[in-house]
Amino acid sequence: QQQVKQSPQSLIVQKGGISIINCAYENTAFDYFPWYQQFPGKGPALLIAIRPDVSEKKEGRFTISFNKSAKQFSLHIMDSQPGDSATYFCAASGTSNTGKLIFGQGTTLQVKP
Amino acid sequence: DAGITQSPRHKVTETGTPVTLRCHQTENHRYMYWYRQDPGHGLRLIHYSYGVKDTDKGEVSDGYSVSRSKTEDFLLTLESATSSQTSVYFCAIRKNTEAFFGQGTRLTVV
Repeated sequence: QQQVKQSPQSLIVQKGGISIINCAYENTAFDYFPWYQQFPGKGPALLIAIRPDVSEKKEGRFTISFNKSAKQFSLHIMDSQPGDSATYFCAASGTSNTGKLIFGQGTTLQVKP
Repeated sequence: DAGITQSPRHKVTETGTPVTLRCHQTENHRYMYWYRQDPGHGLRLIHYSYGVKDTDKGEVSDGYSVSRSKTEDFLLTLESATSSQTSVYFCAIRKNTEAFFGQGTRLTVV
């Protein structure tokens, strides 16, 4: 049972374009939604995170949009750069306070120069 | 990197042999986690620990055991490795509300 569904599986964007990755979740008890960025041979690194009390959070070129009623959230990368080429994972965590994360399947982003 | 070291970084082992992966942290965080990463599945939680000798199962715990005898070390053991356990294994710690991951261990079971 995949509690967090991520799409698309892969994405190719031109330099300067907008990259959009979408995630949908099922468990309404989730209250923390982070995005991770992973480069080849490295561990995932936290990029940006949101809680359901806000609909949008922006950090530099990265924005999370959150739709609580639709149980969906998305990552927007503005002015995409070749250095953004990586695999991106959305995740969700619940109220148990254990910090356990449920991850989406991942999206491989390629930004072409 | 939140002071996380995984060892070994790469390992090839034969089916049926026991394998132990080690995660070492230097910052005395209470929570530690083991995830496996497989194409099409993202990362899935195997086991986690919330203190010395306190551990619990994750979503894919079958075939794995863990131990935490010291705050800084969290060990993952494959009792009898199978080809389905070929994967990249990541250890993570929880710092405030954020998870920080190690560099990973690539395990191949032949």
